[in-house]
Amino acid sequence: GDSVTQMEGPVTLSEEAFLTINCTYTATGYPSLFWYVQYPGEGLQLLLKATKADDKGSNKGFEATYRKETTSFHLEKGSVQVSDSAVYFCALMGYNTDKLIFGTGTRLQVFP
Amino acid sequence: NAGVTQTPKFQVLKTGQSMTLQCAQDMNHNSMYWYRQDPGMGLRLIYYSASEGTTDKGEVPNGYNVSRLNKREFSLRLESAAPSQTSVYFCASSEALRTGGNQPQHFGDGTRLSIL
Repeated sequence: GDSVTQMEGPVTLSEEAFLTINCTYTATGYPSLFWYVQYPGEGLQLLLKATKADDKGSNKGFEATYRKETTSFHLEKGSVQVSDSAVYFCALMGYNTDKLIFGTGTRLQVFP
Repeated sequence: NAGVTQTPKFQVLKTGQSMTLQCAQDMNHNSMYWYRQDPGMGLRLIYYSASEGTTDKGEVPNGYNVSRLNKREFSLRLESAAPSQTSVYFCASSEALRTGGNQPQHFGDGTRLSIL
């Protein structure tokens, strides 16, 4: 069945460092791909999405490109801030379905 | 902007007790979902409702029941709580009505449930 694999955390960075969180997927057909962020004590918020191959999703300085050839959707940010500390979830939604399949989440900790 | 509202935020139960978690959305969304979040396992779908009057099982439905009371409300019931059901429960909603699957889901802040 469809699945999502994320790099294990925590990822610990200093402020202004470059961030990459790896995400790969297995799916039949042409899924849509999402990154969600969860701040402490809160629910998940949509960060960005891409619905077809080579699409780039972006928001708040974060970017991810839908790479069908490598089945990947890695999250990147050029300069992280302390306020970016959160848990990041990669997810996919299969074609012709409205159900999300989540990865296990990656905790990011950014220190001043 | 309320979005998705879940009640209660915290609850402690004893094994064997029953409880209903409430969820309401004010975005006129068609689809609603219940997930549980456990350490190291991400979010797993318990039940979902593609439209008012319909419900379907997700990945981990055992021990739970749901009711789609109307378009706004979707409740999750534990009939006889077990320690394995200790988790954080999230409700979500989306515009999707089996449209091809790229509508994002909007989440509530969660219910933290402990079963002793």
